Amino acid sequence: GENVEQHPSTLSVQEGDSAVIKCTYSDSASNYFPWYKQELGKGPQLIIDIRSNVGEKKDQRIAVTLNKTAKHFSLHITETQPEDSAVYFCAASKENTGFQKLVFGTGTRLLVSP
Amino acid sequence: EPEVTQTPSHQVTQMGQEVILRCVPISNHLYFYWYRQILGQKVEFLVSFYNNEISEKSEIFDDRFSVERPDGSNFTLKIRSTKLEDSAMYFCASTASYEQYFGPGTRLTVT
Repeated sequence: GENVEQHPSTLSVQEGDSAVIKCTYSDSASNYFPWYKQELGKGPQLIIDIRSNVGEKKDQRIAVTLNKTAKHFSLHITETQPEDSAVYFCAASKENTGFQKLVFGTGTRLLVSP
Repeated sequence: EPEVTQTPSHQVTQMGQEVILRCVPISNHLYFYWYRQILGQKVEFLVSFYNNEISEKSEIFDDRFSVERPDGSNFTLKIRSTKLEDSAMYFCASTASYEQYFGPGTRLTVT
């Protein structure tokens, strides 16, 4: 089955710096890759996603890139702010509308210091 | 903005007892999921549900687990004969197509 690896496990940056979180997946049939932000005591919140027919997607300060050949995808956060501090999870699934279970990475704890 | 809700936020039960975790998915969503997250670990898939049937379940979802959509709005996860290792956060999620939206979770503590 699918296996998703995520690095780093923790990431500390100064406010205003960029942060990059990387994930690799094992199943070449996976074609949908969402990223979730989880704040303490809350459920995962979808922040951006990408499908395998595109290589990059951007939404304001966050962007995701996908390399299907290498089977890895990355989350980029620019101009980080203290409120970006949270645990970030990548996930992968085989896009089959509605029937796609998400396989999550192990999470990255991002700490943005003022 | 529509959101997934879950009750209770925290459930404490004794080993061997039965618990029911409740979820109200987003109203126009047709696909429902339960996931589990043991403290400090990654989120793990338990089960997916569509058209009043389980479409897929993981090896975690053993015979003690069941799901139900009893009334067209609620989606429940029942765990019978709870074990200490069932202690975790349980998240409900729903989707209309691809993007899965998660509820705030129920923290289950089995003592």
